[in-house]
Amino acid sequence: GQQLNQSPQSMFIQEGEDVSMNCTSSSIFNTWLWYKQEPGEGPVLLIALYKAGELTSNGRLTAQFGITRKDSFLNISASIPSDVGIYFCAGLRGGGADGLTFGKGTHLIIQP
Amino acid sequence: DGGITQSPKYLFRKEGQNVTLSCEQNLNHDAMYWYRQDPGQGLRLIYYSQIVNDFQKGDIAEGYSVSREKKESFPLTVTSAQKNPTAFYLCASSSVAANYGYTFGSGTRLTVV
Repeated sequence: GQQLNQSPQSMFIQEGEDVSMNCTSSSIFNTWLWYKQEPGEGPVLLIALYKAGELTSNGRLTAQFGITRKDSFLNISASIPSDVGIYFCAGLRGGGADGLTFGKGTHLIIQP
Repeated sequence: DGGITQSPKYLFRKEGQNVTLSCEQNLNHDAMYWYRQDPGQGLRLIYYSQIVNDFQKGDIAEGYSVSREKKESFPLTVTSAQKNPTAFYLCASSSVAANYGYTFGSGTRLTVV
């Protein structure tokens, strides 16, 4: 299936910096999800967005569902070493039974 | 606690052998999925199943087979026809009640030796 366009592919930042990543698509999605994957583990859900324009926070993480329903972004404020990992966006169309469409991931690396 | 369990964590396969990866969930989720993950490739869908005794091919089904005899279980067999099986395999499940958000297992790393 179609993959979402996620950027950047990787980020090298200093501890304490803010981080921003986004996903775009040519198709409309009804739900946007953001996952984090640590090495050797499965992805874990961070934030779920269900309405266009919705802005949701989870601690230092903030994500928004774009008004056009074709994009979403994730921000991480004041990064810490445990934020290291791969962040995936995922979108859900229609009834959802066919499953999620994933971005290729943003690899976040934090230098102390 | 409810969750989704994959086993084994690490698996080694000789050339020409079939191997089966286990995935079990006690979340009462209807749908289950298998993904393959390679560096820089993201997650690629192998097979998925929305109900018991039914499953559909994903984007890279060649060389793989699945079964869904029970709601809780969705094993994946990597056959000898899969020419490049070394990868990290992830199983996931979802349901209408969960708004179709996936719960993932912790993965199985398969290596051909």
